[in-house]
Amino acid sequence: GAVVSQHPSWVICKSGTSVKIECRSLDFQATTMFWYRQFPKQSLMLMATSNEGSKATYEQGVEKDKFLINHASLTLSTLTVTSAHPEDSSFYICSAKTGLEMYEQYFGPGTRLTVT
Amino acid sequence: SQQGEEDPQALSIQEGENATMNCSYKTSINNLQWYRQNSGRGLVHLILIRSNEREKHSGRLRVTLDTSKKSSSLLITASRAADTASYFCAPETSGSRLTFGEGTQLTVNP
Repeated sequence: GAVVSQHPSWVICKSGTSVKIECRSLDFQATTMFWYRQFPKQSLMLMATSNEGSKATYEQGVEKDKFLINHASLTLSTLTVTSAHPEDSSFYICSAKTGLEMYEQYFGPGTRLTVT
Repeated sequence: SQQGEEDPQALSIQEGENATMNCSYKTSINNLQWYRQNSGRGLVHLILIRSNEREKHSGRLRVTLDTSKKSSSLLITASRAADTASYFCAPETSGSRLTFGEGTQLTVNP
């Protein structure tokens, strides 16, 4: 149990376009989802916390107008990178947890974004 | 910052040996979690230790937590080549926020 999927697993887009990444909890309801970004050989950096039905909370330095997060249901959160630039190229990973007595966060397999 | 900091940055051992990785953090936590990541992949949850626990075991994994020293350690016993990965500690504070350090890159040589 506790499987989180991401789609797509990799995407290449041109500079200036927008890309949407989906994060789904497959066998549990996720009241909270998190979005991280990871550059090569670096740590995961938390971008934002997403609660179902409410606005996302962004970490300091993360542009909310550039990284649009929508947590429309208890099993789906989306991250849209708007007007992507080459410096947005990164590995984007989501995680999910329930509001029950389950403290672990379950991570998706990640999405590799390359902006050309 | 609540960032967990792992030590060492890189560790290379022979199959069958034990691997110990350490983690330090800065302020109070609800719990501390350890994850592994294979290159280019997502994170796999290994073990969670709560702030009122001192030691926890899971298979070949042993985690300790010393809240007075704000440190934790992960021991992998009888390592295997398949254990080769990056290992991250993630202290959890309020709001379920996890902050990750740079990780320890473990290489287990067959």
